[in-house]
Amino acid sequence: KAGVTQTPRYLIKTRGQQVTLSCSPISGHRSVSWYQQTPGQGLQFLFEYFSETQRNKGNFPGRFSGRQFSNSRSEMNVSTLELGDSALYLCASSLASRDTQYFGPGTRLTVL
Amino acid sequence: AQTVTQSQPEMSVQEAETVTLSCTYDTSESDYYLFWYKQPPSRQMILVIRQEAYKQQNATENRFSVNFQKAAKSFSLKISDSQLGDAAMYFCAYRSPAIGAGGTSYGKLTFGQGTILTVHP
Repeated sequence: KAGVTQTPRYLIKTRGQQVTLSCSPISGHRSVSWYQQTPGQGLQFLFEYFSETQRNKGNFPGRFSGRQFSNSRSEMNVSTLELGDSALYLCASSLASRDTQYFGPGTRLTVL
Repeated sequence: AQTVTQSQPEMSVQEAETVTLSCTYDTSESDYYLFWYKQPPSRQMILVIRQEAYKQQNATENRFSVNFQKAAKSFSLKISDSQLGDAAMYFCAYRSPAIGAGGTSYGKLTFGQGTILTVHP
């Protein structure tokens, strides 16, 4: 069974731009969570979707948003990019929100 | 809010030896899940082992085992017969039950700061 896939793997943007990251969960998994990883803050929870509904949201500004489609694929969007948004963005999927989360390879975002 | 602490920023071990990584957590909940994830230089986060708080028996996965001390809120990872491929950043993570605690911790993982493990040949 194919694992969690994330596209693109690498992205370079400039301040003020917006970006959309995509995550395809493991087949059959309905829950998708997003995390931001930086050297300073470590791994921080962004949000979680289950059956197209946002179930939980971390402490991030409104510039960070996401959605989930009927096929469980998820996207996250960051608008008005700031230098501090440079990070590895990880997506994880699970059968349901209670189950073990399996991670994708991440998208490395660099904001110049 | 739950917190997870890994007090060892870096650890090293000789190949074939045993190493233990420490993790403590703070919670007022009685039901929860604990995980160890491994993140090699490729950056892909890989599940190493999982422990349900209601289970007294310590989880094991081949060379990996945990020492779960619920009263002490401690969850250490022991790696036996260390291999070069074990070199990575290891993260301890906590997850509340999906429903409960105000419903705000549904599925969310709280991570420690990580421990970099170096394996010497």
